Amino acid sequence: EIVLTQSPGTLSLSPGERVTLSCRASQSIHGDYLAWYQQKPGQAPRLLIFRASSRATGIPDRFSGSGSGTDFTLTISKLEPEDFAVYYCQQYITSPLTFGGGTKVEIK
Amino acid sequence: QGQLEQSGPAVKKPGASVKVSCKASNYTFRVYGISWVRQAPGQGPEWMGWTSVNSGETNYAQKFQDRVTMNVDTLTNTAYMEMRSLRSDDTAVYFCARSSLPDGFDVWGQGTVVIVSS
Repeated sequence: EIVLTQSPGTLSLSPGERVTLSCRASQSIHGDYLAWYQQKPGQAPRLLIFRASSRATGIPDRFSGSGSGTDFTLTISKLEPEDFAVYYCQQYITSPLTFGGGTKVEIK
Repeated sequence: QGQLEQSGPAVKKPGASVKVSCKASNYTFRVYGISWVRQAPGQGPEWMGWTSVNSGETNYAQKFQDRVTMNVDTLTNTAYMEMRSLRSDDTAVYFCARSSLPDGFDVWGQGTVVIVSS
């Protein structure tokens, strides 16, 4: 099973700041099939990034993904009030598909 | 864009079964697979398994292999997930999600709360 480790666990930030979230895999993710999701309380996860760096439909360009192999990053260039949420990475190529433990981005 | 509408909440006793439905609309059902993901209170998402709508092929996480069945009805564009022998630690929100290899899980149902309690 591919274990995804996200860091940090929590980030306390102010609107307008730049955010960098990390996701490290226990083994290389074939084809870089790594996705990022945003989840707010009481809602389903929302796909932000697929295949490591492709933005999903309707996702603002302040969200960007990068990385390959075992190390991946989600960057939010300038935090908006609606971006405070929990972010999960997921590998979706090797069964069982797995999610990281999440990074909570909270208002400072 | 596509939408997935799930069935309502369920309260079950330990040992019982639950069947959650997921009705697809506004996209060609057969083109994508359907994955099921659950999320226990305060925890992250956990993938349970996947069904190919086109072929009916399934792939279950080993953890659920013995207790879960996923299938689809292409006449009604509905996917189903049934879990048997429920335990208290199966209490969670269960989500269906449209899934494909290149695109990830790009459309999600609203979630179905399942509570297992005596």
